[in-house]
Amino acid sequence: DVKVTQSSRYLVKRTGEKVFLECVQDMDHENMFWYRQDPGLGLRLIYFSYDVKMKEKGDIPEGYSVSREKKERFSLILESASTNQTSMYLCASRKSGVYGYTFGSGTRLTVV
Amino acid sequence: KQEVTQIPAALSVPEGENLVLNCSFTDSAIYNLQWFRQDPGKGLTSLLLIQSSQREQTSGRLNASLDKSSGRSTLYIAASQPGDSATYLCAVPDRGSTLGRLYFGRGTQLTVWP
Repeated sequence: DVKVTQSSRYLVKRTGEKVFLECVQDMDHENMFWYRQDPGLGLRLIYFSYDVKMKEKGDIPEGYSVSREKKERFSLILESASTNQTSMYLCASRKSGVYGYTFGSGTRLTVV
Repeated sequence: KQEVTQIPAALSVPEGENLVLNCSFTDSAIYNLQWFRQDPGKGLTSLLLIQSSQREQTSGRLNASLDKSSGRSTLYIAASQPGDSATYLCAVPDRGSTLGRLYFGRGTQLTVWP
């Protein structure tokens, strides 16, 4: 089975810190995604990548950036964390074509 | 932009009941639809993936159907158990793109009590 691993289950960071959320997949998938999930708002796409060094903005990219230097790893970066970025962050990957998505177990980030 | 609606938003049933969860989407030009389960505080677990050429997909006590022309999918859970308690999400991909993002419904929160 495809495995998508998010490096941390829980993180607590201070306002203004630079935060890195890491995601690694082990099945050579081309496409990788970062979503955030908030009560009442559902899942919202932050960024996605369809190849190494390629990235596309999703619906809410402000305050975030991403890095994909290797095919298996997709990092989400909060340049200067703010309290409104407290959320559950979910990474997903998918092989190009008509294939399904595999999600990681999520990172619950709290910014204080 | 694709819009996905799930009904009901919440469902509470006694153990043993057969259940139907509904999902509708506005743009029928999809190539597949995926159902997920989410336990509290956890990530999403894929349950079933239905390709546009299929009408049904089954896994154990779960059966998902897809009617593209009417923009609907149903997830049928047979003989529900307390362990089925979770939020169930349906998702469809971006129109015409095999690269792209998923659009999610808000989910159905299911509680099965003993």
